[in-house]
Amino acid sequence: QITLQESGPTLVKPTQTLTVTCTFSGFSLSSYAVGVTWIRQPPGKAPEWLGLIYWNDEKAYSPSLKARLTITKDTSKNLVVLTLTNVEPADTATYYCAHVVSDYFDPWGHGTLVTVSS
Amino acid sequence: SYVLTQPPSVSVAPGQTANIPCGGRNIGSKTVHWYQQKPGHAPVVVVHDDSARPSGIPERISGSRSGSAATLTISRVEAGDEADYYCQVWDSSSEHTVVFGGGTKLTVL
Repeated sequence: QITLQESGPTLVKPTQTLTVTCTFSGFSLSSYAVGVTWIRQPPGKAPEWLGLIYWNDEKAYSPSLKARLTITKDTSKNLVVLTLTNVEPADTATYYCAHVVSDYFDPWGHGTLVTVSS
Repeated sequence: SYVLTQPPSVSVAPGQTANIPCGGRNIGSKTVHWYQQKPGHAPVVVVHDDSARPSGIPERISGSRSGSAATLTISRVEAGDEADYYCQVWDSSSEHTVVFGGGTKLTVL
């Protein structure tokens, strides 16, 4: 059974760096074609794709966030880390990680709500 | 950038059929996936690859795609189907990005 769990701060100040960790089980990020993606969802709005990382360290990022976003993995610890720099209130959202299945996502973690406010 | 368009809301009576459309430029050339999201929960895939159902998803839920739109159909709607539904594609036309539709709130009357 595949499970993912996000963890991180609930409150971040504007201009600071947000770091959210995804800890997963039930698959290995060292296995061929396996990937983990990050998605966020502002309150009351649709999900927004952020980026993903594959087993071979190949990455893809949303063009609108590419300059501020980094995704890394630690295969030995079964975790993926999202780093978003210079955050602003518009970055307030529930941040989800999910297992990549070809070009859709299943399952998702429960998500973690991050508020950006001074 | 690529845009997927969904109606904000669809309302149906119990037992009736709900059709939720998802439109986008040249969507006929893309593979569409559908997620159901209930309040306070993460999205769950209910249809992938246009019309495939994951295990555990009832046969009442189906997906289809034509040249100009994709459609999620929920037959014999139940109160438990009330949720937000999102379509999703992988847009490889320019930069490889993932796009979600704006979502449709299904209300069971």
